[in-house]
Amino acid sequence: SQTIHQWPATLVQPVGSPLSLECTVEGTSNPNLYWYRQAAGRGLQLLFYSVGIGQISSEVPQNLSASRPQDRQFILSSKKLLLSDSGFYLCAWRRSGLSYEQYFGPGTRLTVT
Amino acid sequence: AQTVTQSQPEMSVQEAETVTLSCTYDTSESDYYLFWYKQPPSRQMILVIRQEAYKQQNATENRFSVNFQKAAKSFSLKISDSQLGDAAMYFCAYREDSGGYQKVTFGTGTKLQVIP
Repeated sequence: SQTIHQWPATLVQPVGSPLSLECTVEGTSNPNLYWYRQAAGRGLQLLFYSVGIGQISSEVPQNLSASRPQDRQFILSSKKLLLSDSGFYLCAWRRSGLSYEQYFGPGTRLTVT
Repeated sequence: AQTVTQSQPEMSVQEAETVTLSCTYDTSESDYYLFWYKQPPSRQMILVIRQEAYKQQNATENRFSVNFQKAAKSFSLKISDSQLGDAAMYFCAYREDSGGYQKVTFGTGTKLQVIP
């Protein structure tokens, strides 16, 4: 069976510090990978998606970047965090194909102070 | 651009009763997929049910069913025999497949409270 992991689960970082959130998927190959952000009381905002190693597309230009160094690894980064980067970050995967739904990881709660 | 609208920020239902959550969407596509996700207090997003636009038959998963009205671009979720564990945020989502990229657009969510 497939599983998706995210770490850390929670993170408190000062403004201006760097960020690295990691997401890994097990039990599948060549998944489509997604990073979402959920602000408090809000819906999900798609940040990045990737259909393969080294292939990253950004939906919202901002202070964040993403990388996919391995087939089942997706990393969300920032060089200098802003207060507005606080939120709940969700990684999701889906099989390549037309009809497969997304499956979400447990999320990372980021607080920028 | 596709949009998904959930007009009910909060809903409540008595335990064992039935509740319907509303969702409308805007698209010019004919082939797409619709989903309902549940996010309990743990914040883990859980897929509840999905509907393919080309299927006229409404999807059903145990106590969860949808009323899909393609012409009206409406996709409501009905929860029958509500249980305390159904209390959560519910998100409606739309996905289209074009150009090899599948983008999912989420609504803003409906918070469901189940009253014992």
